[in-house]
Amino acid sequence: NAGVTQTPKFQVLKTGQSMTLQCAQDMNHEYMSWYRQDPGMGLRLIHYSVGAGITDQGEVPNGYNVSRSTTEDFPLRLLSAAPSQTSVYFCASRRDLTTGLTDTQYFGPGTRLTVL
Amino acid sequence: AQKVTQAQTEISVVEKEDVTLDCVYETRDTTYYLFWYKQPPSGELVFLIRRNSFDEQNEISGRYSWNFQKSTSSFNFTITASQVVDSAVYFCALSEAPWGDMRFGAGTRLTVKP
Repeated sequence: NAGVTQTPKFQVLKTGQSMTLQCAQDMNHEYMSWYRQDPGMGLRLIHYSVGAGITDQGEVPNGYNVSRSTTEDFPLRLLSAAPSQTSVYFCASRRDLTTGLTDTQYFGPGTRLTVL
Repeated sequence: AQKVTQAQTEISVVEKEDVTLDCVYETRDTTYYLFWYKQPPSGELVFLIRRNSFDEQNEISGRYSWNFQKSTSSFNFTITASQVVDSAVYFCALSEAPWGDMRFGAGTRLTVKP
């Protein structure tokens, strides 16, 4: 099991450029989500998905798009990057928390994005 | 709405001291799930523990222990005899439902000095 994988690990963009952060999991988890981490603010939820074809907004969705065409993949798209989107991005996946009493949410290694 | 508060932004201790990290949560649901994660300097998020709202048993795992008190909406984390390797940012998180999103506190940066 590779768990949750993210690419790239680092990325530098210029203002206005677009890009897609890739996320994949091989644990057959229904629930996937994207967070951004900024200093002093913990992790904030951007978008999430409870299954293929279903996505919804989290706390800070503006400027980001997602889609979920397969159970395994959940890409995050920045349509027109802005300096305010400079952050570390984490993808996560998990099962329904009632499935296992010790189950949890698993995180990818993160993508460090800088927008100039 | 769900909310997690970690009032301690930074804590610094000397090795072998005990340290408690506070976590206070808010939720209107009767069923919810609480978590602690560790983020070492390398940046990954490491799962430490999960506690379900219907299980108020405290837990001990080696030098780590957790105190869950529904009456005060707190889920505090204690490290006994701290070590330099415990230096990290620690996050408390809350999920209100099996499919609900997970909300995080702002984190507590723990520095353990030799």
